[in-house]
Amino acid sequence: GQQVQQSPPASLVLQEGENAELQCTYSTTLNSMQWFYQRPGGRLVSLLYSPSWAEQRGGRLTSSAASNESRSSLHISSSQITDSGTYLCAMERPNNNNAPRFGAGTKLSVKP
Amino acid sequence: EAAVTQSPRSKVAVTGGKVTLSCHQTNNHDYMYWYRQDTGHGLRLIHYSYVADSTEKGDIPDGYKASRPSQENFSLILELASLSQTAVYFCASSDEGGEDTQYFGPGTRLLVL
Repeated sequence: GQQVQQSPPASLVLQEGENAELQCTYSTTLNSMQWFYQRPGGRLVSLLYSPSWAEQRGGRLTSSAASNESRSSLHISSSQITDSGTYLCAMERPNNNNAPRFGAGTKLSVKP
Repeated sequence: EAAVTQSPRSKVAVTGGKVTLSCHQTNNHDYMYWYRQDTGHGLRLIHYSYVADSTEKGDIPDGYKASRPSQENFSLILELASLSQTAVYFCASSDEGGEDTQYFGPGTRLLVL
């Protein structure tokens, strides 16, 4: 079936102030993507939603997509300690009533 | 802000027992979803619904049933709980399926012994 792969695959450690780029790749053409943030043991919170692969911005976050390469990215600029947590991407699947498929997530740790 | 609540927040169940997880949303959304989260697997879709009194199978429906008695409520039922169903379960709602932002509940931590 359609797979969503996230990279870095499991975890990423940054020094405070550094920039980060997280990526999602997928195995087929999909219509839209969404990035979520989750604190340990917490609920998922939507960060950015990109219909039709438009670039989206929200504060220090930017999502971009290269649909011809089946890839989307989340850029975090000037990382802060409070950015620590897990970031997950989700892709819409038009052949499955648009039900999203999630990547496994990347755990980001920002150190002082 | 969109509101999705889940109950219970945590539960310990015995193998072979019946477990019902409940989800309630006040967003007036048509779509509701049940996911499970396991370490290393992200979220996997179990069942979803886009209208009351109808449910659809997700990617891992085996061992689970779902019920959508009203637009606001969506339940996940484990008729015969098994050890492998120990996980954190999340409910979500959205207005237009994957074409819209999803709003998640706080999760239910289920431990099957």
